[in-house]
Amino acid sequence: QKEVEQNSGPLSVPEGAIASLNCTYSDRVSQSFFWYRQYSGKSPELIMSIYSNGDKEDGRFTAQLNKASQYVSLLIRDSQPSDSATYLCAVKDFNKFYFGSGTKLNVKP
Amino acid sequence: GAGVSQSPSNKVTEKGKDVELRCDPISGHTALYWYRQSLGQGLEFLIYFQGNSAPDKSGLPSDRFSAERTGGSVSTLTIQRTQQEDSAVYLCASSPGLAETYEQYFGPGTRLTVT
Repeated sequence: QKEVEQNSGPLSVPEGAIASLNCTYSDRVSQSFFWYRQYSGKSPELIMSIYSNGDKEDGRFTAQLNKASQYVSLLIRDSQPSDSATYLCAVKDFNKFYFGSGTKLNVKP
Repeated sequence: GAGVSQSPSNKVTEKGKDVELRCDPISGHTALYWYRQSLGQGLEFLIYFQGNSAPDKSGLPSDRFSAERTGGSVSTLTIQRTQQEDSAVYLCASSPGLAETYEQYFGPGTRLTVT
């Protein structure tokens, strides 16, 4: 059974701050990692994918992957109230996606 | 282009009735997944289809649940003799294929309420 662990939160940050969301996974052979954002009452929306160790930046979002330590993180710079949502980490392995339970982020104006 | 679509968006049914939920994947996507999300909970994998291969049904919670995919495109998830614990949002997602780097994209979901 593949485990994907996230702190459920809520994580509260002030507007303009950096939000840091973390995810750990149990399977060393996993190769593909994804971050989804889910607003209340909506379906998950893909934010970023990352496959190689290191950082990947897309606008205000940076995904970080460390396969040796089996963690992946998402940094949101200049956090906005519109970033308030639940963030889901997903690990793909042999065609199936394994999701964490999500971290709820609150960005306070 | 068009995203994943699901119908109906909401379904209220009485306990014991059968329901069918439909998913139209993104055109050209060969992989299709069904998940269930109960209120305030994470995503529970149900089943996935890839092309003409036999589906992975390992997540179906009971034999009341079944799914099919016709012509490698549209999929229907059927729940027979619904129970109150089946109340949840049922999400469909599609992916271009099986390569590890392929992402999946979700539809808007069907909210099922069993009374």
